[in-house]
Amino acid sequence: DAKTTQPPSMDCAEGRAANLPCNHSTISGNEYVYWYRQIHSQGPQYIIHGLKNNETNEMASLIITEDRKSSTLILPHATLRDTAVYYCIVRVGTGNQFYFGTGTSLTVIP
Amino acid sequence: NAGVTQTPKFRILKIGQSMTLQCTQDMNHNYMYWYRQDPGMGLKLIYYSVGAGITDKGEVPNGYNVSRSTTEDFPLRLELAAPSQTSVYFCASSYRTPGQGKNIQYFGAGTRLSVL
Repeated sequence: DAKTTQPPSMDCAEGRAANLPCNHSTISGNEYVYWYRQIHSQGPQYIIHGLKNNETNEMASLIITEDRKSSTLILPHATLRDTAVYYCIVRVGTGNQFYFGTGTSLTVIP
Repeated sequence: NAGVTQTPKFRILKIGQSMTLQCTQDMNHNYMYWYRQDPGMGLKLIYYSVGAGITDKGEVPNGYNVSRSTTEDFPLRLELAAPSQTSVYFCASSYRTPGQGKNIQYFGAGTRLSVL
């Protein structure tokens, strides 16, 4: 079953780009990668998703490697409000379950 | 749109008591989910539903029950509360077209439950 691996924590200076990596080497060919973040134990908030191509929206950019075994979420200009736990998730098997893992705790430093 | 609304926000139960966590969504989503999150951990799926009248077990269903009588509502029932059920519970919903892989979930604010 597809799972994800993320570093437990990262720091980023305010105003700099935050690059959060995720390994999903067991992902199947037609499955999306989703990124969410959770601030102060609030409900997770959807950020972005991708299949094969790189994606960008108003919140972030997502870079997916050509072999689809890993991806990187980029917050181009991190602010203090971006301090949160970031989850890279994929679907488990062929059902409706998603693997959340423990995420990366990003701290944006003033 | 209110999105996904969960009630109550906080609750303290005694061992053996029962309660229902309420979840409602106003986005006409067909899929709904219940997760629990223990301290420092990721979310684990308890139950989910792909439409009214259809429910299925997730990773950690023991000690819980659900029903889906309407598209909007997906209550989670704890029958005999145990300390191991102390957790934060999140409800989520999504719209998924059959055969389409994309499944973006929208979460409620959570219910913090302590069983003492």
